[in-house]
Amino acid sequence: AAGVIQSPRHLIKEKRETATLKCYPIPRHDTVYWYQQGPGQDPQFLISFYEKMQSDKGSIPDRFSAQQFSDYHSELNMSSLELGDSALYFCASSFPGLAGPGTDTQYFGPGTRLTVL
Amino acid sequence: LAKTTQPISMDSYEGQEVNITCSHNNIATNDYITWYQQFPSQGPRFIIQGYKTKVTNEVASLFIPADRKSSTLSLPRVSLSDTAVYYCLVGGDMRFGAGTRLTVKP
Repeated sequence: AAGVIQSPRHLIKEKRETATLKCYPIPRHDTVYWYQQGPGQDPQFLISFYEKMQSDKGSIPDRFSAQQFSDYHSELNMSSLELGDSALYFCASSFPGLAGPGTDTQYFGPGTRLTVL
Repeated sequence: LAKTTQPISMDSYEGQEVNITCSHNNIATNDYITWYQQFPSQGPRFIIQGYKTKVTNEVASLFIPADRKSSTLSLPRVSLSDTAVYYCLVGGDMRFGAGTRLTVKP
């Protein structure tokens, strides 16, 4: 079965550089979520999109932006990178649960490991 | 949005049953409860979802009392490969709280 695809899988950047992470959701999934997970930490919700519109916003820094495109793939743009941005970035996708709102099941991608030097 | 509270860590031995309880005192009437499992360097993986009473699948059972202010994930006969972090989420809130780090020992 098709899974969530993230690219690149690994990325090394210098401080103050920019990075773009891409996420390709499972076909027919209409919602995309982005998470940041530092070493030994729990996943931190950054932002989500439903039908190409931002649906929720979490602890996403102002230096980051994201969007969902017409083909439902999403990109997370990160500028002025800092050492503290080094983390695993997960994308997840979901479709409406059969029981209605709040019953969505998220399917996570393998993550992009970003290292900022 | 319902806030969840779980034990930070639990230890068990192979072959034992493990029960992890999540508290969600302000759960809303329409909220479902969903549990995820996460292995190191992998994305969380859906385990089970329920609304009330008991739900069982091939991996786990989920017990939800009548007041729905808590839920218990039950893992029967755990093995070393069940060592992971377990998270409960409530309703449409996709924010992960502090999960439970389960360590299964031989």
